[in-house]
Amino acid sequence: KQEVTQIPAALSVPEGENLVLNCSFTDSAIYNLQWFRQDPGKGLTSLLLIQSSQREQTSGRLNASLDKSSGRSTLYIAASQPGDSATYLCAPPYSGGGADGLTFGKGTHLIIQP
Amino acid sequence: GAVVSQHPSRVICKSGTSVKIECRSLDFQATTMFWYRQFPKQSLMLMATSNEGSKATYEQGVEKDKFLINHASLTLSTLTVTSAHPEDSSFYICSCKRTSLETQYFGPGTRLLVL
Repeated sequence: KQEVTQIPAALSVPEGENLVLNCSFTDSAIYNLQWFRQDPGKGLTSLLLIQSSQREQTSGRLNASLDKSSGRSTLYIAASQPGDSATYLCAPPYSGGGADGLTFGKGTHLIIQP
Repeated sequence: GAVVSQHPSRVICKSGTSVKIECRSLDFQATTMFWYRQFPKQSLMLMATSNEGSKATYEQGVEKDKFLINHASLTLSTLTVTSAHPEDSSFYICSCKRTSLETQYFGPGTRLLVL
């Protein structure tokens, strides 16, 4: 069964800083991995989908990398802004073997101070 | 991006009653829909996977007779919490996807409080 760990659990920094959020997962037989943000009491917003054949995926100030063999993914946020404050979740497939549901960790709770 | 809606967004009910939650993909056809729940300060946990016209596949520990899932069309899935109890109080979120390689799109969630 897939298990996800995200480090750090919480992060509070002044705006403008570049950030790195780390994700590790136990079953590396995945075909893709998604990063989401969740605002308090709300649903999830998809940020990036990175395929297993890719090493990186970029969208605006966000860059996600994936190292399947080591079971790790990293989300890089450049020039952070207060609007980036949210919980960030990485989500590999549930079982890693082709099932379509996603597995979530507890996320990284990010606060960007104005 | 694709839009997924859920209704209701919030519901309060008495213990023993049943509650139905709808999940709709508004601008695409979803071959597969998923139901998750999230308890306070916990991770989202997959409850079940449903494909249109088929019986849902439930994850271990999720009672299929308590959480009835109907996926009647490519744009609508419903989750019915039968004989709800206070321990069923949670945040229920659905997601939809079109193909096995694409992003899952999540609904805004339904907060259920059982008194």
